Amino acid sequence: DAGITQSPRHKVTETGTPVTLRCHQTENHRYMYWYRQDPGHGLRLIHYSYGVKDTDKGEVSDGYSVSRSKTEDFLLTLESATSSQTSVYFCAISTSEDTQYFGPGTRLTVL
Amino acid sequence: GEDVEQSLFLSVREGDSSVINCTYTDSSSTYLYWYKQEPGAGLQLLTYIFSNMDMKQDQRLTVLLNKKDKHLSLRIADTQTGDSAIYFCAEILTGGGNKLTFGTGTQLKVEL
Repeated sequence: DAGITQSPRHKVTETGTPVTLRCHQTENHRYMYWYRQDPGHGLRLIHYSYGVKDTDKGEVSDGYSVSRSKTEDFLLTLESATSSQTSVYFCAISTSEDTQYFGPGTRLTVL
Repeated sequence: GEDVEQSLFLSVREGDSSVINCTYTDSSSTYLYWYKQEPGAGLQLLTYIFSNMDMKQDQRLTVLLNKKDKHLSLRIADTQTGDSAIYFCAEILTGGGNKLTFGTGTQLKVEL
């Protein structure tokens, strides 16, 4: 897993509540990513970071925000969760050889 | 955005070869990747190929790249039940950020 952990691993929440998912890496990689995985869509990029305080939007960024205050942590926040955000969320890092390694995932259910 | 296409399902018998196909759209992609996902798990990087290569072999895995047709394939020799999983191809996007676009995944089922 290239030293990547995600927390929580499972979460059930209600519509309208804020949710924060955490990705932690131990190897000081510059690039970090958040994806969501849904049936029939593969993985889609939500946001990514190319350094501390440097982030950019991906393909499906609406309704999500991110923060990276230190190299090892990349946070994904759903300000007001909706049922359409029920998904499995994966964090990834990119090595200097342009290969991405993924964390174990967080299964989020919004009721 | 870019579209990466894969067939949804493939069923093979144990011991046979499996071939999983993928078409991509960004002709300037530098790397193309194959990932494996077992049930309830994250994505495991299987192999990747640089765009100036036609073929890459790694033990039971062979990757073939046809740049003219933008076609990528993954061949698994002597397929085993442990190979049952979803296989994703992905291409790296130009424009920086090392961003990947994934196909929808191919579910490989290995039958005895």
